[in-house]
Amino acid sequence: QLQLQESGPGLVQPSETLSLTCTVSGGSISISNYYWAWIRQPPGKGLEWIGNVYFSGSAYYNPSLKSRVTISVDTSKNQFSLKLSSVTAADTAVYYCGRQPFGSFDYWGQGTLVTVSS
Amino acid sequence: QTVVTQEPSLTVSPGGTVTLTCASSTGAVTSGYYPNWFQQKPGQTPRALIYSTSNKHSWTPARFSGSLLGDKAALTLSGAQPEDEADYYCLLFHGDSWVFGGGTKLTVL
Repeated sequence: QLQLQESGPGLVQPSETLSLTCTVSGGSISISNYYWAWIRQPPGKGLEWIGNVYFSGSAYYNPSLKSRVTISVDTSKNQFSLKLSSVTAADTAVYYCGRQPFGSFDYWGQGTLVTVSS
Repeated sequence: QTVVTQEPSLTVSPGGTVTLTCASSTGAVTSGYYPNWFQQKPGQTPRALIYSTSNKHSWTPARFSGSLLGDKAALTLSGAQPEDEADYYCLLFHGDSWVFGGGTKLTVL
């Protein structure tokens, strides 16, 4: 059974960089036709696709966040990561990682709440 | 900025049928948008229901089905159960990125 687990600081200072890692277990991240994604959900609001990455390192981003986001992959650790720079209170959200077979979206992590506050 | 629009809220009677829709500001939704549907209950992680318009995951209850309806993607629930009360989100592919709809709050009452 594939499992994804997000990890990282739960509190980030305004203007700093938010960094999260998703660890994949029960399957390899280096598999063809599967992308690995980050999604977020502000408290009480809807879902927002942040971006995804292929095991080769090719990444695709939400145009509205593209200038601040970097998603990378570490196949040796079976992990992929999210960095979001210059954060503000508007970036406070539950951040989820997930698997995106092309055209689909199946497995999700449990999510981790990141609060931006001084 | 692409906007994906869903009904903010819908109500269905137990045992009844309801259709949720998903529209794109870029035009008619086709199979090339690979519509996906998700269910999220309060305090829980979203759960994938439908992918690529009408395909079900192994865990998707048979009472859920996906389709294209006119110029929108649609999720139909036939024989609603109390446990189907939840928020439902669609997700559409636009070029090289994906966009979620704002979600539909479904009440079973």
